[in-house]
Amino acid sequence: GENVEQHPSTLSVQEGDSAVIKCTYSDSASNYFPWYKQELGKRPQLIIDIRSNVGEKKDQRIAVTLNKTAKHFSLHITETQPEDSAVYFCAASANTGFQKLVFGTGTRLLVSP
Amino acid sequence: DTAVSQTPKYLVTQMGNDKSIKCEQNLGHDTMYWYKQDSKKFLKIMFSYNNKELIINETVPNRFSPKSPDKAHLNLHINSLELGDSAVYFCASSQDSGGGFGYTFGSGTRLTVV
Repeated sequence: GENVEQHPSTLSVQEGDSAVIKCTYSDSASNYFPWYKQELGKRPQLIIDIRSNVGEKKDQRIAVTLNKTAKHFSLHITETQPEDSAVYFCAASANTGFQKLVFGTGTRLLVSP
Repeated sequence: DTAVSQTPKYLVTQMGNDKSIKCEQNLGHDTMYWYKQDSKKFLKIMFSYNNKELIINETVPNRFSPKSPDKAHLNLHINSLELGDSAVYFCASSQDSGGGFGYTFGSGTRLTVV
């Protein structure tokens, strides 16, 4: 089955800096890679996703890149703000049959003013 | 209008008790899930239902029994609660069971077993 590793587990940056979170996956059949943001005491919320036919996707200050050959994908947040502080999860799944999202272990991002 | 709603939000109970968590989605999605988030924030799937049928059953003790009366509802009943069951339980739904769409999560149920 799929296994997703995520690094770092904790990331502290200054406001305005960039933040990068990296994930690797094991199942070459995986073709859907969403990212979720979970604020303290709240539900995980989808912030961006990418499919395997695309190498990069951007939405304002966040972007995701995918390297299918190396089986890794990354979340990039530019011009970080204190409200970006949260736990971020990557996930992966294959788009065939009965599949499930397998989540990484999460990255706690702290943006200091 | 909440897309995926769970009740209760908090549940404190004693070891050995039986409790239920309810989940409803109004998104018209075909697939619903239960995930467990432990104290280290790790999100692990427990069950998945597609149009009322169980399609994923991870290695979960049989004290946990999901029920889906229709595709908009997925409930979780837990018998003989143990200390290790303390966690946040999230219900989620997605457009289909193929895994190619993101999930919408409920607000979670924080279960504390004392």
